[in-house]
Amino acid sequence: AQKVTQAQTEISVVEKEDVTLDCVYETRDTTYYLFWYKQPPSGELVFLIRRNSFDEQNEISGRYSWNFQKSTSSFNFTITASQVVDSAVYFCALSEADFGNEKLTFGTGTRLTIIP
Amino acid sequence: DTGVSQDPRHKITKRGQNVTFRCDPISEHNRLYWYRQTLGQGPEFLTYFQNEAQLEKSRLLSDRFSAERPKGSFSTLEIQRTEQGDSAMYLCASSLWASGSGNEQFFGPGTRLTVL
Repeated sequence: AQKVTQAQTEISVVEKEDVTLDCVYETRDTTYYLFWYKQPPSGELVFLIRRNSFDEQNEISGRYSWNFQKSTSSFNFTITASQVVDSAVYFCALSEADFGNEKLTFGTGTRLTIIP
Repeated sequence: DTGVSQDPRHKITKRGQNVTFRCDPISEHNRLYWYRQTLGQGPEFLTYFQNEAQLEKSRLLSDRFSAERPKGSFSTLEIQRTEQGDSAMYLCASSLWASGSGNEQFFGPGTRLTVL
């Protein structure tokens, strides 16, 4: 069975600090996809990134970067120079696509608070 | 904006009553998913449709729950004889599934159900 673990329940950092959110996953499939979603106080989940299991290249998008390491089954998310608007709950999710159902298995989320 | 919409946004009901939620996906999306999110947890998969066909239901979906997508467009989720344990946020997501996999799901704002 697939599982996603986000061990950090809550993180608080001062604005402009860098912060890394950890994500560890378990799956028996060789083909899978990893996602990060942001859930601001309004409640709507916002898609941030998708990564497939065959692509271990790190990705950077503005202040956001992602580090995917299959050897440790981790897909960590770093925010550089954090801003107050980054305050939200962040979810890591896994999708196994072998049988067509691309249902997402989510972790329990990390609540990030950026202190002005 | 033609994102995923859900109605109602909030529903308060008494135990034993029936409730129905509606989801309107992004118009060209052929897949529609329902998830449930309880406080402090990540969303959990309930069921999904490809066009009008319901292809999988989670074990979380007891026989009091039923979902439909009659014309392959909007979907409804009905809960009969509600129980206090049904109190949660019900999220709808849609995606465009073609020949590839790992398609990102776009989420609606959710319907928050409170059962008294």
